[in-house]
Amino acid sequence: QSALTQPRSVSGSPGQSVTISCAGPGSDAGIYNYVSWYQHHPGKAPKLIIFDVTKRPSGVPDRFSGSKSGNTASLTISGLQPEDEADYYCCSFAVSYNVYVFGTGTTVTV
Amino acid sequence: QVQLVQSGAEVKKLGASVRVSCTASGYTFTGYYIHWVRQAPGQGLEWVGWINPKTGDTNYAQRFQGWVSMTRDTSIRTVYMELSRLRSDDPGVYYCARDLRNDYNVGEYDYWGQGTLVTVSS
Repeated sequence: QSALTQPRSVSGSPGQSVTISCAGPGSDAGIYNYVSWYQHHPGKAPKLIIFDVTKRPSGVPDRFSGSKSGNTASLTISGLQPEDEADYYCCSFAVSYNVYVFGTGTTVTV
Repeated sequence: QVQLVQSGAEVKKLGASVRVSCTASGYTFTGYYIHWVRQAPGQGLEWVGWINPKTGDTNYAQRFQGWVSMTRDTSIRTVYMELSRLRSDDPGVYYCARDLRNDYNVGEYDYWGQGTLVTVSS
């Protein structure tokens, strides 16, 4: 089963906004509403920042937001901060295969 | 507070087996699925599979079927992931992660273990 497709890297200046897309190979990410996003700093455990496509766990700044349109989910980071520099992964359910699939990962550079 | 604590780094030979443990605390152990996720060197995150600590039911990603096995010991609140017949593409950091929904499985992980590095030598 293929990974979900993300851009390899995005960059922005402090205070700017960036958006990371997450596209399913078919309509996997579009017909399942359990899309989550993770922030991963090297050497540390990944951190959940978005779940159920749009929801933020408590403690996650509101500059992180999620959305979905068709078979593509997106993560937007508004007002970039230096500490946002990390790898970001989406994750969803591949209905056709009854398994979970991560995105290919995106490195955010501030 | 919720914690998942994994066993330490392992160095194994090609063809050997390795078992990684994940001990949970701070919540009802049997109430939440545990997933395992791998990060191979220089690669992204990859879903390995899940175990239901209540029933012992498992589901594995296709590429791991046949050589991964997930089990649990409810008396010590621990789940295990065993990889048998280690191959050259098995090295990486293996994480356990708790599914955030109580009693069902949606593949969204709110708590993670610290990761266990598995190295394979020839």
